[in-house]
Formats: sequence, structure tokens, C-alpha cells
Amino acid sequence: GDSVTQMEGPVTLSEEAFLTINCTYTATGYPSLFWYVQYPGEGLQLLLKATKADDKGSNKGFEATYRKETTSFHLEKGSVQVSDSAVYFCALSDSSSGGSYIPTFGRGTSLIVHP
Amino acid sequence: DADVTQTPRNRITKTGKRIMLECSQTKGHDRMYWYRQDPGLGLQLIYYSFDVKDINKGEISDGYSVSRQAQAKFSLSLESAIPNQTALYFCATSDGANQETQYFGPGTRLLVL
Repeated sequence: GDSVTQMEGPVTLSEEAFLTINCTYTATGYPSLFWYVQYPGEGLQLLLKATKADDKGSNKGFEATYRKETTSFHLEKGSVQVSDSAVYFCALSDSSSGGSYIPTFGRGTSLIVHP
Repeated sequence: DADVTQTPRNRITKTGKRIMLECSQTKGHDRMYWYRQDPGLGLQLIYYSFDVKDINKGEISDGYSVSRQAQAKFSLSLESAIPNQTALYFCATSDGANQETQYFGPGTRLLVL
């Protein structure tokens, strides 16, 4: 079945540092890929997405490129801020499960940014 | 106002009690989901519903039941709560279109003593 593997956290960075959170996936079809963010005390919200190979999703300074050859969708940001402290979830949505598109989530990576 | 609301936001109950968590949405979406979040385990799907007459079990449905009262309402019940059901519960919606972006409620934190 489908699966998503993302790097374990917590990831601890100083403000203005470069961020990478790795995400790799296994899917039988041609999935869409997502990054969701969960701020403390809140539900998940979509950060960015990509629907086909080589697409780049971007939002709020974050970027991720859909790499089919390496089955990866790594999240990057050039300069993190304290306000980026949150838990980040990689996810995929695959039509191979009878067209249901039920998403599969990774376990989440906690990011802590210090001033 | 929030598009997806959950009540209560926090709940403490005792082993063996029946409790209900409620979810309402104003997004007009047909699809609704219940997830459970435990530290380090990500999100696990409990139940999902693609329309009012469609209910499906997710990966961890044992010990839970659901009711889709209307397009906008989807409730989760724990018939006889047990301590290992202590977790954060999220409701989510999607519009069934391609790509399946999900829209989450703020969550209900449940503690079973």
C-alpha cells in the first residue's frame, strides 16, 4: 500500500537558518503530494502541494519539488523564523485505491526555531 | 468564523463512559473524516464518509462509531471509553475533487481516566 516516510524530529534551528525536512513516499499510482503544517493548539492546514512530477509547490517562503525519480518531496525554506515553529506533515493522495483519494500522512516532524 | 468546528475542544471522561464528539462544517463539502493523533504516530484514519448515506471504516475503527446526520455534520462516538483512547481527535473535510486537499477542524483533546 501507499506510505509516507519523513525525517524524525525535533528539528531545532536558529532564526534565519536554512530548513530541509525530508519526505519520501511509496505509491502504486500517480499521487498528488502535500505538506501540511500544524501550529500549537490548532488543526492541520495545507501549506503547499504538487500534483505531478517536477511540479514545485510554494507558499510563505516554503518550497517542495515533486521528484518522481527519487520518490521524494522534501520541504525547504531559506530563512526560518520563530513563527515557523510547528509540526510539519508530508502526505500523499493517490487515485489507485478505487478512485477514493484517501490521503496517507507521514508521522510529522516537529520544528523548533530559536531566536 | 471557522469553516470546520469541533465540540467539545477538551473532554475528560472515565473508563466505560459513552461520549460523543461533534463536527460541523460550512464549506459545503460532501466528504468528511475523523482522525486520531497520537504523539509520534501522525494521523490515523478512524472513519470517513463520502456523503450522507456513505460510511466507511478507516484503519482504526474498533471501539468507535460514527453518524452522518447531515451533509454538514459528522459525529464520532466512543461507546465505552478506555484509557488508550486518550488522544487528540480531528475532523476534516474535502470536496471530492482531484488532489483531495483536506480542511481540518481545531481538534478535540480527550482524556480517558
